[in-house]
Amino acid sequence: AQSVTQLGSHVSVSEGALVLLRCNYSSSVPPYLFWYVQYPNQGLQLLLKYTSAATLVKGINGFEAEFKKSETSFHLTKPSAHMSDAAEYFCAVSKGDKIIFGKGTRLHILP
Amino acid sequence: DARVTQTPRHKVTEMGQEVTMRCQPILGHNTVFWYRQTMMQGLELLAYFRNRAPLDDSGMPKDRFSAEMPDATLATLKIQPSEPRDSAVYFCASAGEADTQYFGPGTRLTVL
Repeated sequence: AQSVTQLGSHVSVSEGALVLLRCNYSSSVPPYLFWYVQYPNQGLQLLLKYTSAATLVKGINGFEAEFKKSETSFHLTKPSAHMSDAAEYFCAVSKGDKIIFGKGTRLHILP
Repeated sequence: DARVTQTPRHKVTEMGQEVTMRCQPILGHNTVFWYRQTMMQGLELLAYFRNRAPLDDSGMPKDRFSAEMPDATLATLKIQPSEPRDSAVYFCASAGEADTQYFGPGTRLTVL
């Protein structure tokens, strides 16, 4: 059954430092994988999507994620954190018509 | 700039009252999802429709919740009667052929 596990419900990084948010998936078939971001009092916004065209996926706001089949991972990274990146991030995997979301990781940016 | 819209954005009501939330999906999207988000449970799928037909409502409490799509531009989620445990943010999302779901801003519901 398809599912995702996000490691760390809270992650804190200093402004300008590398952002790394971890996600591992389980899927019996090659999946579609997503990262969504939710800013306070807003809906979820698509950051990027993996559809097997390329293992390194570039998204909006300088984020990217790498699909690693051998590790069943789809970690999200950004080279340099900005204060505006403070938000909750959700990893997700497709399951037919549906998307199965992880429990989310709240990213805190330290000045 | 196409986007999903939801009304109302905020709703405060008393226990026992009927609540109706509305969603306008992105024009041309044929799949509509309703989610509920709480601190305790996270994001839960309540129901979804394709081409206005309900495909799965297994996540929805059947006794008090109902979801419909009167037409392709409107989806509704109704709670009757509402209870304090229904307090949450309710999101609508729509998708076209490419599987990606686009979320609305949500309706924050408080049941007193």
